[in-house]
This record gives sequence, structure tokens and C-alpha cells, in this order.
Amino acid sequence: QSVLTQPPSVSGAPGQRVTISCTGSSSNIGAGYDVHWYQQLPGTAPKLLIYGNRNRPSGVPDRFSGSKSGTSASLAITGLQAEDEADYYCQSYDTSLSNSGVFGGGTKLTVL
Amino acid sequence: QLQLQESGPGLVMPSETLSLTCTVSVGSVTNRSYYWAWIRQPPGKGLEWIGSISHFGTVKHNPSLKSRLTISLDTSRNQFSLRLTSVTAADTAVYYCASRSSGWFSLDYWGQGTLVTVSS
Repeated sequence: QSVLTQPPSVSGAPGQRVTISCTGSSSNIGAGYDVHWYQQLPGTAPKLLIYGNRNRPSGVPDRFSGSKSGTSASLAITGLQAEDEADYYCQSYDTSLSNSGVFGGGTKLTVL
Repeated sequence: QLQLQESGPGLVMPSETLSLTCTVSVGSVTNRSYYWAWIRQPPGKGLEWIGSISHFGTVKHNPSLKSRLTISLDTSRNQFSLRLTSVTAADTAVYYCASRSSGWFSLDYWGQGTLVTVSS
């Protein structure tokens, strides 16, 4: 049972828009901690996709965007491409766990 | 950009100690811009935060692992390490080391990961 809750899977056709939610609580996202998102392609290490709720590292296409509100956060992907098929994880920190890092359970994105 | 590489045994016997090292290149473990983290991923499952250590040696553990976990820094070798005692099959996972920015607290750079199997 992950501290942050994500849907196990989402899917969309090429060119479409999909969103992935990340639901936390008052001890993590709601406590003011930033949310970060990672993309994990099959057989590879995770890669930072969004940091500080809505910021993209250099090289990440602007098709990826993040937002945060209250105790939840979202990752949106527009103009879906086949290469976006991957697992996506949200991450934050939790005051009830001695400010340890916490992850969502991950969401498998399938491009139809 | 930072480069990180995990190293250590791929097979550990149950009840023994798992030891891994992360070597940092193109950067220094004393760089105040980063903390250093360990994350693991059991086969077919999601990511789990293990713990982190600052450039001056302050450690933050996942409470569920704290009693078995040691994270340390070796500035002379530009490495940081993980020791997990009394391992069981549940500790079988791909172990990643990563750099955590001291600004946004995101995991900016990751090693490629190393699979550790706990089995007799």
C-alpha cells in the first residue's frame, strides 16, 4: 500500500491527452511538500520528468506538465506518442514518516 | 551532469548483510547542492524510498527499514554506501542510487540500478 495513490493504468491513442493523478494527505502533499514525477521506460532506471510540481528539466518536452492542488497532484501528457509508453511515478515527502521520501504506486501508460 | 554507478554482490544469503556502493563521477559527494539517496524496486513492483545522506553525513531513513539500515559517505573515494542487515527474500530488488537536489528535493540523477537477489 503506497502512501501516495495513483491509478494502476491509463491509456490513450496517439495525439490524445491523458492525465495521471497522485493523491496524498495532509502529512505529505497537503503539508506543503512539492511533488516530483518520474518516467520509467521498460528495463531502465527512472528519469526525472517534472520537479517542484510543475517544472520541466532541460530536454523534457513541453507536452508534459504538472500541477498540484491541496492534497493531490496531476501529470498531464498531451499529443501522446508511442515513445511515452512507460511507468510514471509521483514522489514527495511525509511528515508522519520522519520526512522520508514516499512514492506513488506507479501508473502504466499504454499508447493504443 | 552527475553520473552514478551502483556496485555490489548480486546474490546475498538470507539473514546476511546486503552491502552496496554508489560511485559518483563528474561531481563530488561533498557538493552542497546534493544529498545522496537509495531507492529500491522489487521485481514487477513500484519504487520504495530507502534513505538519504547529506553532504555532511546527516542520514534520513525509511522508518520501516531503520533498524536494519546504515547509509554512509566516503569522501575520499567519492562514494556513498548502503548496508542492510538480516535480509530476507522480501529485500530482493533492483537497488538504485540517486542524487537528490538540495533545492527542490527531487531525484535528479539516477544510477542504472543493480539487481540484488536474496536466496540460499
